Amino acid sequence: AQSVTQLGSHVSVSEGALVLLRCNYSSSVPPYLFWYVQYPNQGLQLLLKYTTGATLVKGINGFEAEFKKSETSFHLTKPSAHMSDAAEYFCAVTRMDSSYKLIFGSGTRLLVRP
Amino acid sequence: SQTIHQWPATLVQPVGSPLSLECTVEGTSNPNLYWYRQAAGRGLQLLFYSVGIGQISSEVPQNLSASRPQDRQFILSSKKLLLSDSGFYLCAWSGGPEAFFGQGTRLTVV
Repeated sequence: AQSVTQLGSHVSVSEGALVLLRCNYSSSVPPYLFWYVQYPNQGLQLLLKYTTGATLVKGINGFEAEFKKSETSFHLTKPSAHMSDAAEYFCAVTRMDSSYKLIFGSGTRLLVRP
Repeated sequence: SQTIHQWPATLVQPVGSPLSLECTVEGTSNPNLYWYRQAAGRGLQLLFYSVGIGQISSEVPQNLSASRPQDRQFILSSKKLLLSDSGFYLCAWSGGPEAFFGQGTRLTVV
């Protein structure tokens, strides 16, 4: 079975500071990994994804994540936080079968202080 | 380009009343379709998914049901709502590993 753990339900950073949101996964087969962002009362928007190939993946809005198989991690980073980055972030895992069911972590709410 | 429509955006329903939430996808054919629920302060729970017309898989036992009467239409229903059915419901589609989400429906059962 697959699962995702996001450490820290809330993360607070100052504007301009490094953003680091942690995600660890469990999967018995090579995973596909994703980060999604959700603004209040809206759906989820795909930030970035890892399927195969380069382990450092870049996404929208300056975010990137690195797939580390040995650590079973897929942490999300951004060098400099903006106020507009305040939102909830979800890490998700799926595997390559016909259903492509996404299994989500519990989410991390990012607060950005002026 | 592909788009996904989900309605209504908000809904307040009394306990015991029926429910019907609709989701449609445009610009693609034979998508996988999903219903997720997001309870307050919690992550997303997969309720149902469908890989084709009339093919529905349920992930958790519950008071809800789903149907896919057409290739790009996915409906979430209940005959009698419970207070515990309150939450934020999200429809999604995929044609590959990543999924794309609708704007969600905020359901409050009173």
